[in-house]
Amino acid sequence: NAGVTQTPKFRILKIGQSMTLQCTQDMNHNYMYWYRQDPGMGLKLIYYSVGAGITDKGEVPNGYNVSRSTTEDFPLRLELAAPSQTSVYFCASSKGRVGSLNTEAFFGQGTRLTVV
Amino acid sequence: QQQVKQSPQSLIVQKGGISIINCAYENTAFDYFPWYQQFPGKGPALLIAIRPDVSEKKEGRFTISFNKSAKQFSLHIMDSQPGDSATYFCAATPSGTYKYIFGTGTRLKVLA
Repeated sequence: NAGVTQTPKFRILKIGQSMTLQCTQDMNHNYMYWYRQDPGMGLKLIYYSVGAGITDKGEVPNGYNVSRSTTEDFPLRLELAAPSQTSVYFCASSKGRVGSLNTEAFFGQGTRLTVV
Repeated sequence: QQQVKQSPQSLIVQKGGISIINCAYENTAFDYFPWYQQFPGKGPALLIAIRPDVSEKKEGRFTISFNKSAKQFSLHIMDSQPGDSATYFCAATPSGTYKYIFGTGTRLKVLA
């Protein structure tokens, strides 16, 4: 099982450029999440989805967009990159609501993004 | 604002020693408290988790202690090994939500 796969692993963007971070999971999980991890700050939720066609904002959604056209894929779009978006981005998925019985979130390996 | 405060920021322990990481949360109804382990260059992975109706949970060398009245929970790693060297995150799930609130992480180094 591949689990949660993120691409690319590394990317350098110039200010104002756009890009899409790809995330796909092969576990048939309904719930998917995007987090960003900044040094010393823990992980912050950007967006989440509870199923295909349904997305909602997390704690830090500004500057990002998502879509969920299939169960497997949950891409994260940065439209106008800013230095404040320099971070490590993690995609995660879970079978059910995190916190419900025996449901854990599985994380991808991350995308390290630098905006210069 | 919902927060989970984690300490210490970093921890160095001798091989065979006990590693203790603490987390505290504020006035919010959380119903699930997981600990995640993250190795360099990897995503976090679930280590152990507890619910507020239980005061302690043990899995191998890893134990969560939970104090509901004090709104605190901690991770104890017994007989710490160099392979345990990683960053550990506590987290909490607000009741009825789909997200984790993560602590800021503790970088653990176990000396051989």
